[in-house]
Amino acid sequence: NAGVMQNPRHLVRRRGQEARLRCSPMKGHSHVYWYRQLPEEGLKFMVYLQKENIIDESGMPKERFSAEFPKEGPSILRIQQVVRGDSAAYFCASSPGQLDEKLFFGSGTQLSVL
Amino acid sequence: QKEVEQDPGPLSVPEGAIVSLNCTYSNSAFQYFMWYRQYSRKGPELLMYTYSSGNKEDGRFTAQLNRASQYISLLIRDSKLSDSATYLCAMTDYGNNRLAFGKGNQVVVIP
Repeated sequence: NAGVMQNPRHLVRRRGQEARLRCSPMKGHSHVYWYRQLPEEGLKFMVYLQKENIIDESGMPKERFSAEFPKEGPSILRIQQVVRGDSAAYFCASSPGQLDEKLFFGSGTQLSVL
Repeated sequence: QKEVEQDPGPLSVPEGAIVSLNCTYSNSAFQYFMWYRQYSRKGPELLMYTYSSGNKEDGRFTAQLNRASQYISLLIRDSKLSDSATYLCAMTDYGNNRLAFGKGNQVVVIP
């Protein structure tokens, strides 16, 4: 039973390019969360999605960032026109239900912006 | 004031020692409290989960919640080399999966 799968593990982009991060939740989980871990900072919530719906995007920067969780396929976190400050580890987590507070995390995508 | 405070200072302990980690929080709406363990270049892994004041034990690990003083702690007994990791406290209020995390404590167990 595979856990939360994220790819790529490492992503290098130049300033101004787009970054697309993918997350496949655990089998049976329909709730997906994205968190960002900046150097010397704790994990910060970004967005919470269910299939085809964004439930809570209160932690998402207003510009350049978007997320989706289509009916088929993985959840995608998209960062347009990346800047150096976007360099961080991006973690995806999933849970089986909305009221289940136990999140299971993937291994993360390390984004480096040159 | 941050919602969750966790002194991030690294901690080195000899094998077999007791490790004590703490987090304080300012949001009294928090109901569920967790400790995650994160190995280098890995995602956080749920270690302990509690919502009741008092102690909860799981093998060598004890999580303590004190709602009156708004802090949680994690005790690791008989520490092993494999306990070397970063420990993150996390918490949330009811029906809300937006976890608020502490910065994490890096623990190094030395032989």
